[in-house]
Amino acid sequence: EVQLVESGGGLVLPGRSLRLSCAASGFTFDDYAMHWVRLRPGKGLEWVSGISWNSGSMGYADSVKGRFTISRDNAKNSLYLQINSLRAEDMALYYCARATRYSSGLDYWGQGTLVTVSS
Amino acid sequence: AIRMTQSPSSLFASTGDRVTITCRASQGISSYLAWYQQRPGKAPTLLIYAASTLQSGVPSRFSGSGSGTDFTLTISCLQSEDFATYYCQHYYSYPWTFGQGTKVEIK
Repeated sequence: EVQLVESGGGLVLPGRSLRLSCAASGFTFDDYAMHWVRLRPGKGLEWVSGISWNSGSMGYADSVKGRFTISRDNAKNSLYLQINSLRAEDMALYYCARATRYSSGLDYWGQGTLVTVSS
Repeated sequence: AIRMTQSPSSLFASTGDRVTITCRASQGISSYLAWYQQRPGKAPTLLIYAASTLQSGVPSRFSGSGSGTDFTLTISCLQSEDFATYYCQHYYSYPWTFGQGTKVEIK
């Protein structure tokens, strides 16, 4: 059974940093691209970032480029999202999601980790 | 970035109704489009990819069509479990983007 479990969220001061993690199991992790998607309060889904199976290709939403860094450790079956210079608008539920085998969408999702930004 | 625009933003329907949601891309994306369903408090689920291919396990009352810039998601006979928010998303190139969502509510 495919499982994606996010962690690392919490209450953070504006301007600080945070690293989110996603532990994957139930599939061959290094066969798949992985992504982060967020759901801000009262808003719709927003794609944040994606990374290829071998970390050779990465992409970011315009709203996070330069502040967020996606990475993965295939030996640990883990995906990460480093978030720097947190802003109020980064407050959201962050989902880890697996791309389909041919990156035709996102077929498995975690339950999300909540990031709250407040002073 | 490619902008995805869904319409309507919300709709009211009854069980058994046929529902159609449209999604327009700001530039051509061939068939690199997926549709998702999200129920309150739950993670999204993939319904359709490649604009018209039903994801394994998804009921056949869901269907998708379109290519280029204009796409539709149709629910042929709305069931109680289908009241949710639906999103289109392109994966043509980075950055991927979602539509703003369409909330399907009970009439």
